Amino acid sequence: QKEVEQDPGPLSVPEGAIVSLNCTYSNSAFQYFMWYRQYSRKGPELLMYTYSSGNKEDGRFTAQVDKSSKYISLFIRDSQPSDSATYLCAMTVDDKIIFGKGTRLHILP
Amino acid sequence: DTAVSQTPKYLVTQMGNDKSIKCEQNLGHDTMYWYKQDSKKFLKIMFSYNNKELIINETVPNRFSPKSPDKAHLNLHINSLELGDSAVYFCASSQDASRGETQYFGPGTRLLVL
Repeated sequence: QKEVEQDPGPLSVPEGAIVSLNCTYSNSAFQYFMWYRQYSRKGPELLMYTYSSGNKEDGRFTAQVDKSSKYISLFIRDSQPSDSATYLCAMTVDDKIIFGKGTRLHILP
Repeated sequence: DTAVSQTPKYLVTQMGNDKSIKCEQNLGHDTMYWYKQDSKKFLKIMFSYNNKELIINETVPNRFSPKSPDKAHLNLHINSLELGDSAVYFCASSQDASRGETQYFGPGTRLLVL
């Protein structure tokens, strides 16, 4: 079993919809949980991070961590065409950082 | 078979020295990247090359210079190393940066400047 699993998509949703992006993981020792957004021809940029179970909100974005189920989610409210990108989850343990493969998201105008 | 490899894995050196980190990918990808992992474990992009052409050059000191002899290799040379350069540096590759393809990461090189 891979340490971090993420559905590659692509995921297409209409503008204004709520988007849910998910990752599952197997290592209960993971410490930080992060979401990166990557636009075409750009490197990933850090969107949000958290280190505990629960929700963390930042504008239209909510990151959710459920350590008991080993499951993290990123919700995007009122999705915009400019949200179209690849979203990668990432987790750290000690000095290792493990990335999911990324989910390609298309917001349809 | 290792997809993205970096050498060395560990590098301990004195301040003021010049050092290089090498990266090689055997995936046939067109795009390669260098990232620096900060103290909170977050990755920040430094450079990206697509088919040996520099396409991303974030704000990093000009002591850092990437070199891509061919599309399978992207080396990072650092001049006049400083204490703040101590970090883990990750190399990555993807098929095509223009389509936001999945990036495959190397194991990282831990650099410690004394």
